[in-house]
Amino acid sequence: NAGVTQTPKFQVLKTGQSMTLQCAQDMNHEYMSWYRQDPGMGLRLIHYSVGAGITDQGEVPNGYNVSRSTTEDFPLRLLSAAPSQTSVYFCASRPDPGRGYTFGSGTRLTVV
Amino acid sequence: ELKVEQNPLFLSMQEGKNYTIYCNYSTTSDRLYWYRQDPGKSLESLFVLLSNGAVKQEGRLMASLDTKARLSTLHITAAVHDLSATYFCAVDRANFGNEKLTFGTGTRLTIIP
Repeated sequence: NAGVTQTPKFQVLKTGQSMTLQCAQDMNHEYMSWYRQDPGMGLRLIHYSVGAGITDQGEVPNGYNVSRSTTEDFPLRLLSAAPSQTSVYFCASRPDPGRGYTFGSGTRLTVV
Repeated sequence: ELKVEQNPLFLSMQEGKNYTIYCNYSTTSDRLYWYRQDPGKSLESLFVLLSNGAVKQEGRLMASLDTKARLSTLHITAAVHDLSATYFCAVDRANFGNEKLTFGTGTRLTIIP
């Protein structure tokens, strides 16, 4: 049972490049979310999903896309990277509302 | 818009002392969560508080929830160095399908030997 697995752990992008941050969980959790963490701002919700085929926007969705074709996977796509997207990205999952989230180890992204 | 405020933002305390971290939120919510994050690491779930008056304890940490005051506290008893970390509270709405978990900005706790 690996929990929530995020890849890559580190990434440097040039402005305008696109990429996908991968997130997979093996706990059969329905609820998955992507957060970004910036110094002094806590964690902010980017997108979330309440089950396969169902996604919705969080607090800071601009510049990001998600899809949820399976229960296990919830990739986050950066469409055209900008320096403002330099951050640490966390994927998290939980089985149902009222349970704590299990977080992945994070992806540290730098956009130059 | 749901806002979550923690105080203090930074806390330095000596080993053996007691202290409390406060988490205030702006709108009605039934669910509050506490997380711990070590430097450069991921977040670890500590407590889930699901009703007014809920109290949970794990070791030297105790969390409580007062939904009427929109306030949760994380109390540290006889602090030890291993508790040094950043602590986050987070709140969401008890509506079906609502996964918009809102985090506070965190309290960075440093325990001085």
